[in-house]
Amino acid sequence: AQSVAQPEDQVNVAEGNPLTVKCTYSVSGNPYLFWYVQYPNRGLQFLLKYITGDNLVKGSYGFEAEFNKSQTSFHLKKPSALVSDSALYFCAVRDMGSARQLTFGSGTQLTVLP
Amino acid sequence: DADVTQTPRNRITKTGKRIMLECSQTKGHDRMYWYRQDPGLGLRLIYYSFDVKDINKGEISDGYSVSRQAQAKFSLSLESAIPNQTALYFCATSDQGAGNTIYFGEGSWLTVV
Repeated sequence: AQSVAQPEDQVNVAEGNPLTVKCTYSVSGNPYLFWYVQYPNRGLQFLLKYITGDNLVKGSYGFEAEFNKSQTSFHLKKPSALVSDSALYFCAVRDMGSARQLTFGSGTQLTVLP
Repeated sequence: DADVTQTPRNRITKTGKRIMLECSQTKGHDRMYWYRQDPGLGLRLIYYSFDVKDINKGEISDGYSVSRQAQAKFSLSLESAIPNQTALYFCATSDQGAGNTIYFGEGSWLTVV
């Protein structure tokens, strides 16, 4: 079985401050992990993914995420938030050894306050 | 032009009516997917297809059917729409490989009244 949890429905941060959007996962084997962003009235856009290798993954728009196997986490981070980062963020996981397709979290609404 | 195009983008239909959502892609990917998004539930997989002759059920396939007319075309049908099928529907594509990125269309808002 595979699952993913985004424990915060809403995250607010001031512009210029660092931001973190949390994600934890559960898989039987090793995970593939993804972050997507959804702007209002738009589809999901790919930000970054962890497949293997370096635990720190860098993605689009200055975002990065750190794979932590012991804590089964894949938190999304950015050193300095922009108002334009305000959007809905989704974490997703797939078990490498499973035939199941990607499982998405419920999403976290990020609001960056000017 | 978008790589993954969905039509219609918005549709209001009545309970019991048949509705089809269409998707086409220019990415040359073999794999195509239909997802449903509901507030607070994230995205749930309805059906997916790895090639023209391959159709697989996802988490929530009841009440839906699909057709893969060509490598680039994948349509979703609601044979008899019901109000709890009101949602935002996404088509998506990916290349082969378990870790390959899935690319989404802009979505189709469906309201069943």
